[in-house]
Amino acid sequence: GENVEQHPSTLSVQEGDSAVIKCTYSDSASNYFPWYKQELGKRPQLIIDIRSNVGEKKDQRIAVTLNKTAKHFSLHITETQPEDSAVYFCAASNNKLIFGAGTRLAVHP
Amino acid sequence: DTAVSQTPKYLVTQMGNDKSIKCEQNLGHDTMYWYKQDSKKFLKIMFSYNNKELIINETVPNRFSPKSPDKAHLNLHINSLELGDSAVYFCASSHPGQGAGSPLHFGNGTRLTVT
Repeated sequence: GENVEQHPSTLSVQEGDSAVIKCTYSDSASNYFPWYKQELGKRPQLIIDIRSNVGEKKDQRIAVTLNKTAKHFSLHITETQPEDSAVYFCAASNNKLIFGAGTRLAVHP
Repeated sequence: DTAVSQTPKYLVTQMGNDKSIKCEQNLGHDTMYWYKQDSKKFLKIMFSYNNKELIINETVPNRFSPKSPDKAHLNLHINSLELGDSAVYFCASSHPGQGAGSPLHFGNGTRLTVT
């Protein structure tokens, strides 16, 4: 079955810096790669997703890249703000969504 | 209106008891899920139902029994609760057929504490 690894587990940046979170997946048949943000005590919420026929997608300060050959995908957040502080989860799906272990991002003012 | 709603929000109970968590979605989605999030924040799928039919059943103890009376509802019943069942349980829904993969819409979670 699918296995998703996510790094780093914690990430601390200064406000205004960029943050990058990386994930790898094992099932080459996976074709959908969403990213979720979970604030403390809240539910995970979708922030961006990418499908296997696309290499890169951007939405304002957030971008995701996908390398199908290497089975890597990454989340890039530019100009980070304190409200970006949360746990971020990557996931990969071939009909069943499997999550990475999460990255706790702290953005310091 | 909350798209995916689950009750109760908090559940504190003793070992050995039986409890249920209810979930309802008003998004018109065909597929519903239960995920378990442990103390380390790891999100693990437990069950998935498509139009009332069980399609995913991960390695979950038999003490956990999902029930879907209709495609808008997916309840979770847990028998003989154990300390290790303490976690946050998230219900979610999605609409398959949106190409390759579908975004999950999560409920607000039920924090279960077994003492």
